[in-house]
Amino acid sequence: DTGVSQNPRHKITKRGQNVTFRCDPISEHNRLYWYRQTLGQGPEFLTYFQNEAQLEKSRLLSDRFSAERPKGSFSTLEIQRTEQGDSAMYLCASSFYRGNEQFFGPGTRLTVL
Amino acid sequence: KNEVEQSPQNLTAQEGEFITINCSYSVGISALHWLQQHPGGGIVSLFMLSSGKKKHGRLIATINIQEKHSSLHITASHPRDSAVYICAVLGGATNKLIFGTGTLLAVQP
Repeated sequence: DTGVSQNPRHKITKRGQNVTFRCDPISEHNRLYWYRQTLGQGPEFLTYFQNEAQLEKSRLLSDRFSAERPKGSFSTLEIQRTEQGDSAMYLCASSFYRGNEQFFGPGTRLTVL
Repeated sequence: KNEVEQSPQNLTAQEGEFITINCSYSVGISALHWLQQHPGGGIVSLFMLSSGKKKHGRLIATINIQEKHSSLHITASHPRDSAVYICAVLGGATNKLIFGTGTLLAVQP
């Protein structure tokens, strides 16, 4: 499968724990995006990378959130000290260059108890 | 007011009906996407367009840049078309997608 993959697909954690999600983009894509989607809403932008550089971060990305793309390939999104309000679907997408079609992964559904 | 508005929010149709979902936006854009999301979360890109009209099978997407409006049409709808349809715009000065809240479509046999 050469599409965007995300792991894990589901994560249940207790409030206060740290969680980390991984996204593997389509191999030749140099742009990678993270979005968050809460129930009944459309996705919201969190951050994006061009190669290994994080070029934009949303105000939604509080200091408990950090994203990396160390080698310009896969990316990780870490949430520290999770809160119940962090419960959402975290979506990753990749594209070849600005303005081109974004391809989405299946998402990681986070539930914070 | 959201930058991307969709209507209707919910739509129930009978199999075979012609369906139209509308999207209006208030920002300058370089492209507009129509996306499909099935229960369970996976998002599939249906169209990306910046002008005119595109057709793929039973799906047709149109955009009017001057009026800042796009429509997604489904001809001869089928129960397998049941999903959430999301309009998203790529802002002219940014690299991020701005999403509408989606239209939940249910096609009954």
